[in-house]
Formats: sequence, structure tokens, C-alpha cells
Amino acid sequence: DAMVIQNPRYQVTQFGKPVTLSCSQTLNHNVMYWYQQKSSQAPKLLFHYYDKDFNNEADTPDNFQSRRPNTSFCFLDIRSPGLGDAAMYLCATSLDGTNEKLFFGSGTQLSVL
Amino acid sequence: GESVGLHLPTLSVQEGDNSIINCAYSNSASDYFIWYKQESGKGPQFIIDIRSNMDKRQGQRVTVLLNKTVKHLSLQIAATQPGDSAVYFCAEMGWGNKLVFGAGTILRVKS
Repeated sequence: DAMVIQNPRYQVTQFGKPVTLSCSQTLNHNVMYWYQQKSSQAPKLLFHYYDKDFNNEADTPDNFQSRRPNTSFCFLDIRSPGLGDAAMYLCATSLDGTNEKLFFGSGTQLSVL
Repeated sequence: GESVGLHLPTLSVQEGDNSIINCAYSNSASDYFIWYKQESGKGPQFIIDIRSNMDKRQGQRVTVLLNKTVKHLSLQIAATQPGDSAVYFCAEMGWGNKLVFGAGTILRVKS
């Protein structure tokens, strides 16, 4: 059974048109992460939530925002997608984020036209 | 800054042979390491982890070795199968309990 679910699986958007990616989890984990993975590269952390506390990475562009309305759901908002934002976006969870494995969803592949 | 890197970007092995994937890390303060497997179009899948108070850990057909002296991590896969073909990432839990991924190694299994 899927524990970290990402929708949609594929997302196509236009240059500059806001887009939202969603993630839900059935694990009741405290921490939810968003990673960006470009082709043939390693996943790169954008930000994470510990419960309701938002933690942004220093090099994450302002164009990327996130919302976590409750424990189960987390959203990634890209306010004005550029061509360089085309990537796989991975959501992950962990129980409390301290020296333990992350559980990843299947990702959303974002294309920007 | 901290970084995790891999020595070999692509590894080709014959089905049935053992595979060894290597990883170097730079943050000597990291105390938790994970290997993930990622198949095309899918999210990373946990394989095995190891804490810094250990130098070896075994799972089903997989073994992770940690050498803290030289800051080196390796993943050994016994009797490699076609289904093992994927990209393998090592990752370390670094500063602020953030998981940092290495560059990845492509494993190709030849039948």
C-alpha cells in the first residue's frame, strides 16, 4: 500500500503559470520534505516541515513555496515556473527527522512549456 | 560545505556476479548513512542504512560497509539480478538532520 502519495504523476504547465503539486501520507509522520531532482542528478532538498514549522533551504528560490494544512498533506507551489524548473519533484516523510530513513513518494514529473 | 560523492558514475556487471558501489563523504560529523535505489520514473527506495557506531551491516543480499577513517561508504549486492538495475544513491544525515544525497551510480546488469 502506498504510504506517501503524490499527485499528479505527471504535470504540464506553461511558462509563468502557477502550479501546485500535492503530497499526502498515511504514516502520521511529523516531518515532510520536498526535493527537486533534475535529470541524471541527485535529489536536492528545497524545504521541509517539522509539524507546522517550515524550514526553507538557503538556496531555494522564492518562486517555490509550500503549505502544510494538516499532518497528512503538504503542497508545493511554484508561483511562476520557468523552463529551469522542469524536474521530478519528490515528497518524503520521516517520523521525527533524526537519524532515520526517509520514505519517498513516486514523484511528480513537471514539464514547463 | 558538506558533500557526498561517488567514485563511479556507471557500473556494469554480469548477472549473478557481485556488485560494489562506492561513495565518499566529506562531513566527518555525519553519523547516519543510507543507500537508496531509484528505478526510472520512480521515487528513491530505501535499501539499507548504517549508523556511525557500526562498520558493517547486512541485509538481504546487500551489505553496507562504513570506513570512517577514510570517510568511505560502500554497498555490496550479492548475486546481482536484472531487477537490481537502477541508480543507487548514498546519502548522509548531515547538519541539521538534513539528508544529503550523493551524485548517484547507474548499475546495469547484463544477462
